[in-house]
Amino acid sequence: NAGVTQTPKFRILKIGQSMTLQCTQDMNHNYMYWYRQDPGMGLKLIYYSVGAGITDKGEVPNGYNVSRSTTEDFPLRLELAAPSQTSVYFCASMFGGMNTEAFFGQGTRLTVV
Amino acid sequence: KNQVEQSPQSLIILEGKNCTLQCNYTVSPFSNLRWYKQDTGRGPVSLTIMTFSENTKSNGRYTATLDADTKQSSLHITASQLSDSASYICVVSAYDRSGTYKYIFGTGTRLKVLA
Repeated sequence: NAGVTQTPKFRILKIGQSMTLQCTQDMNHNYMYWYRQDPGMGLKLIYYSVGAGITDKGEVPNGYNVSRSTTEDFPLRLELAAPSQTSVYFCASMFGGMNTEAFFGQGTRLTVV
Repeated sequence: KNQVEQSPQSLIILEGKNCTLQCNYTVSPFSNLRWYKQDTGRGPVSLTIMTFSENTKSNGRYTATLDADTKQSSLHITASQLSDSASYICVVSAYDRSGTYKYIFGTGTRLKVLA
């Protein structure tokens, strides 16, 4: 029962460095999402995907990129890390449709210094 | 603008007491409303989901209510336990203009249950 798996759990980056946050789900879900959660704030949608090969921007996509080459994987790429990207990142997946459930990963805590 | 507002921001109660958390939303068109529990350092986990036609939904000691007319929801926790200490997030979902299903998250209520 792996569900949604995110790696790494924690990471410290220097300004200007790049990294990829990994997200994998084993539930054959079509929809996958990346959110960021800043302290005291609600989750903000960065990017989402409705299926392999299809991605689209959410509310706060600047500074990030995604790809969806398979149903299972939805990596999030930070090309030039900035302090404003210090946050906790959550990946989620769902079958899609009105009353289906979204399952969240454990989160990746990223600090950019 | 689609928004979800929760109150209070934080709440401290004694173990065994009841409490009620509030959620007001302006999301339109409304699809359904969920309450999630998020333990510190973990991802959100679903507690309840309600469509516009449902007024009440229970999950153990958690009872959610929905008034689609006034666009308000509440989450009532009965006989609180220490393990209820967490953030409770109200999430309203809707289809956007492109027909994609989206979640709009509230900022959460941080609940602390004391022994």
